[in-house]
Order: sequence, then C-alpha cells, then structure tokens
Amino acid sequence: NAGVTQTPKFRILKIGQSMTLQCTQDMNHNYMYWYRQDPGMGLKLIYYSVGAGITDKGEVPNGYNVSRSTTEDFPLRLELAAPSQTSVYFCASSLTAAGNTIYFGEGSWLTVV
Amino acid sequence: QKEVEQDPGPLSVPEGAIVSLNCTYSNSAFQYFMWYRQYSRKGPELLMYTYSSGNKEDGRFTAQVDKSSKYISLFIRDSQPSDSATYLCAMSGGASGSRLTFGEGTQLTVNP
Repeated sequence: NAGVTQTPKFRILKIGQSMTLQCTQDMNHNYMYWYRQDPGMGLKLIYYSVGAGITDKGEVPNGYNVSRSTTEDFPLRLELAAPSQTSVYFCASSLTAAGNTIYFGEGSWLTVV
Repeated sequence: QKEVEQDPGPLSVPEGAIVSLNCTYSNSAFQYFMWYRQYSRKGPELLMYTYSSGNKEDGRFTAQVDKSSKYISLFIRDSQPSDSATYLCAMSGGASGSRLTFGEGTQLTVNP
C-alpha cells in the first residue's frame, strides 16, 4: 500500500548544482502534481500533469522542469539550484479532475547552500 | 491579496475543547473545499472534502461551507492531543480545474 513515494527525503545542494526529485505512485492516477511548501506561505503548485506525456506550469515553475513518460512517474528537475529553492517539496496524485481526492507523498526536504 | 486566507495561529486548546478553524476565499468559482491535516515533517493528509455549500460530518469532525459568504470552517469536537497538527484548507474548481489553492495552514496544539 505504497501510495505516493518520493525520493530523496533529504538533500543538500550547492548553488548551481542540479538534481532530480523522484516521484512514483501505484494508484494508477492520471493526475500528478508537484508542490513546494515554505513557512507561512502554504503550498504552491510548481507543475502538474493530467496524464502521460502532458505537463503544464503551475504558479511557481521558474527554475524547474518536469516530464511524464509513464502514468506512475513524475520527476521534478532542478536546474542551477539557487538558495530560493530551499523548501519542502511534495508530490501528489489524484484520481479525479475535481481536485477533491489528491493524495500527497511524505515530502523531500531540500537545502541549497 | 491572497486568494485563500487562513489564520496561521498558533492555536492552543485544552483536551476536550471544541476547535474551530476557518478560511475565507475570493474566487467564487471554487466548488470543492478540502481540509488537510499535516503532522510535523509529514505530507498533508486529506481529512474531509465538501462539494459546494453545506455541512459534512465525519466522527468528531464537521466541515461547513458558506459559498454566499465565501467562508469555510472545520470543527473538531472533543479534541485530543493526537489532533495536534497543522490544518490546511484547500479549494479547487472553475478555471483552476483540479489544481488546489491552499491556505497557509493553522497550527493547532491540544494540551492534555
């Protein structure tokens, strides 16, 4: 009963480095999302996908890229890491298009120094 | 102005108290209203959702939506120390489709 699985859990990056946050879900959900959560700011949508091969920008996409080659996987790529990308990242998936059944992963804590 | 406003607290109550958590919003197109519970260093967990206006009850939890006032509430009866967490309201619908717009969360502590 894995649900949404994210790796890594914690990571420290140096400014300018790149990395990929992995996300996989085993619920056969078409809809997948990446959010970031900053103190006092709630969760902000970075990118989302409505199915394999289809992705779109959310509120805060700058500095990130995504791909969706399979239904299960939705990796988030950080290019040229900046201190402003220090945050907690959550991947989520949803069965419906209504947004009322979104399930989140456990989070990835990223620090850029 | 934020699309969804939520008092961040912190809110501290004694065990057994009734807790009231609230959010206001500005986008009248929102149709789904969710409450998530987030324990420290964990992902948000869907607690309840309500479609359009009305009430929904699940055990000790009651969600209320008043679309005319653009105001939603979550009530927790007989609060327990295990209810200590951050509670996030979220909404979707209209042009945003399935994308959720979150409040910033209210940190709740229930003291034994």
